[in-house]
Amino acid sequence: ELKVEQNPLFLSMQEGKNYTIYCNYSTTSDRLYWYRQDPGKSLESLFVLLSNGAVKQEGRLMASLDTKARLSTLHITAAVHDLSATYFCAVAYYGGATNKLIFGTGTLLAVQP
Amino acid sequence: DGGITQSPKYLFRKEGQNVTLSCEQNLNHDAMYWYRQDPGQGLRLIYYSQIVNDFQKGDIAEGYSVSREKKESFPLTVTSAQKNPTAFYLCASSFLVSPNQPQHFGDGTRLSIL
Repeated sequence: ELKVEQNPLFLSMQEGKNYTIYCNYSTTSDRLYWYRQDPGKSLESLFVLLSNGAVKQEGRLMASLDTKARLSTLHITAAVHDLSATYFCAVAYYGGATNKLIFGTGTLLAVQP
Repeated sequence: DGGITQSPKYLFRKEGQNVTLSCEQNLNHDAMYWYRQDPGQGLRLIYYSQIVNDFQKGDIAEGYSVSREKKESFPLTVTSAQKNPTAFYLCASSFLVSPNQPQHFGDGTRLSIL
């Protein structure tokens, strides 16, 4: 059974600081997705990571994937208040054609001025 | 613009009542999914469908039913057998074999018990 764990579950950080969110998963997969959710809203896709060593960057966010360690990281550089949201990683069933996803529990990020 | 439309935005259910949540997409996606989100938790898969007239149970299908009569539509019925239906329900869709394309999500339906 594929399990996905994120940590930390809650992260309070000051503007301008750097931090990393971790996403560990329990069985082999080569597809990992990061999403953002604002309170009461839907999920917005941030990154698609499809291979070992993949690194994607968008603004102050950078995501990476290590399939051997079964670990993905979401690094926040010089945080700003607008980044406050809940971030989810989601891992696809290995080899599946349906793109079924298992979601982590999410990391609630609060950026304080 | 293409997207996923969920309705209603808010829904209230009386005890013993079945309610149906609507999900329509115009992205020409093959697969559609229903997720449940409880406060402070991740998403859990209820049902998914890869093709018209076919669907599979997800991890928490008990008390729910779906149909897929058209490619664009995937309604979810929350039956009276679902004893704890209060949650945020999200519909998603994707191409069947296109891993570089993420699942797209609708804006959700918030269901509460009266």
